[in-house]
Amino acid sequence: QQQVKQSPQSLIVQKGGISIINCAYENTAFDYFPWYQQFPGKGPALLIAIRPDVSEKKEGRFTISFNKSAKQFSLHIMDSQPGDSATYFCAASPNYGQNFVFGPGTRLSVLP
Amino acid sequence: ETGVTQSPTHLIKTRGQQVTLRCSSQSGHNTVSWYQQALGQGPQFIFQYYREEENGRGNFPPRFSGLQFPNYSSELNVNALELDDSALYLCASSLVLAGGTGELFFGEGSRLTVL
Repeated sequence: QQQVKQSPQSLIVQKGGISIINCAYENTAFDYFPWYQQFPGKGPALLIAIRPDVSEKKEGRFTISFNKSAKQFSLHIMDSQPGDSATYFCAASPNYGQNFVFGPGTRLSVLP
Repeated sequence: ETGVTQSPTHLIKTRGQQVTLRCSSQSGHNTVSWYQQALGQGPQFIFQYYREEENGRGNFPPRFSGLQFPNYSSELNVNALELDDSALYLCASSLVLAGGTGELFFGEGSRLTVL
């Protein structure tokens, strides 16, 4: 019940395309859902986050869509760029900042 | 503003040994969390410290222990190292206020190899 499932495991997108990564959870106590971006040799960095009281949040080219009833959320990267090539992790926290549960990650490659 | 810094960046130990990893929190942050990231996997929560006390713990045995100091820096100690402890250990700091806050700021990690 503490797991966060993430798909796909890897994703290849052409420059300018849309990248979509999906996550699902079971624990209804989760109340904060961030996405992290990690480059090789670096720690994860917060990309965008959402609370369950909204269904969508957009920041620049990045959008989170949240479906509370289905317990699913997704990251959309519009106009994907080669610089977006990284590993993306969805996560969930039951206490708005404590003991995050991370998904297994999606390795995104954006071809020039 | 100084980010989260961790040391050492890489280290190699043998099975049964003990290791101490160190972390300096981002300026102004009062909470530090430690995560273990095995190769090709997402980070796994080890524990969190707030006001120098453990404030939550993941599914890790007692040989994983930690400290938070008055200046909000932190240590992760692992005793009786096992081969499966080989991983990237990530420290993350955050500012917890009334009502909570969500953003974790991660360091670049300490890569531990156990032989």
